[in-house]
Amino acid sequence: DAKTTQPPSMDCAEGRAANLPCNHSTISGNEYVYWYRQIHSQGPQYIIHGLKNNETNEMASLIITEDRKSSTLILPHATLRDTAVYYCIATAYSGAGSYQLTFGKGTKLSVIP
Amino acid sequence: NAGVMQNPRHLVRRRGQEARLRCSPMKGHSHVYWYRQLPEEGLKFMVYLQKENIIDESGMPKERFSAEFPKEGPSILRIQQVVRGDSAAYFCASSQDRNTGELFFGEGSRLTVL
Repeated sequence: DAKTTQPPSMDCAEGRAANLPCNHSTISGNEYVYWYRQIHSQGPQYIIHGLKNNETNEMASLIITEDRKSSTLILPHATLRDTAVYYCIATAYSGAGSYQLTFGKGTKLSVIP
Repeated sequence: NAGVMQNPRHLVRRRGQEARLRCSPMKGHSHVYWYRQLPEEGLKFMVYLQKENIIDESGMPKERFSAEFPKEGPSILRIQQVVRGDSAAYFCASSQDRNTGELFFGEGSRLTVL
């Protein structure tokens, strides 16, 4: 898996968009970018993933730069329940096994009332 | 539609005892993964199983740890002769397909070794 770099923490005002950056400058062509979050002590929750096109679902949008060296997860209208640690993971199917997700330290997002 | 079910949620063991953690995947999922999260650290992959087969155990400690996913029943992560360093949250995840990184995680089992 390519190494990813995220800021350790961010604040966001409730109702505003939360933009979480991730650097993955050594990503290879077959590696996807996955985002998960972990709300305090709970199991991680899948948010979204993409290869090179921007993606959107009911939870978030994922913007991947054209050179694929970085990406941004956007929560359009952050709520207090979005307070969590957000993990950016670059990974590819290993063939012999499966996707092996490498969780780093992530970004602790605090949504402030 | 029940999610991934793990039990027990909390388990306390003394050094030298055995710990058994159980995981029932989501309905229709035949791929199970175990991850461990040590205090203040990120999750680390341990093992990936399909029914009756261990596919990838590259993250499992070489001794005392074993995992199974029998034809019937839940997946079991077994830790023999536990030590204090085994204290952690153990998360199970499942997926519908092998070729996906979209995993559904359970709430975890928190093991405390006294």
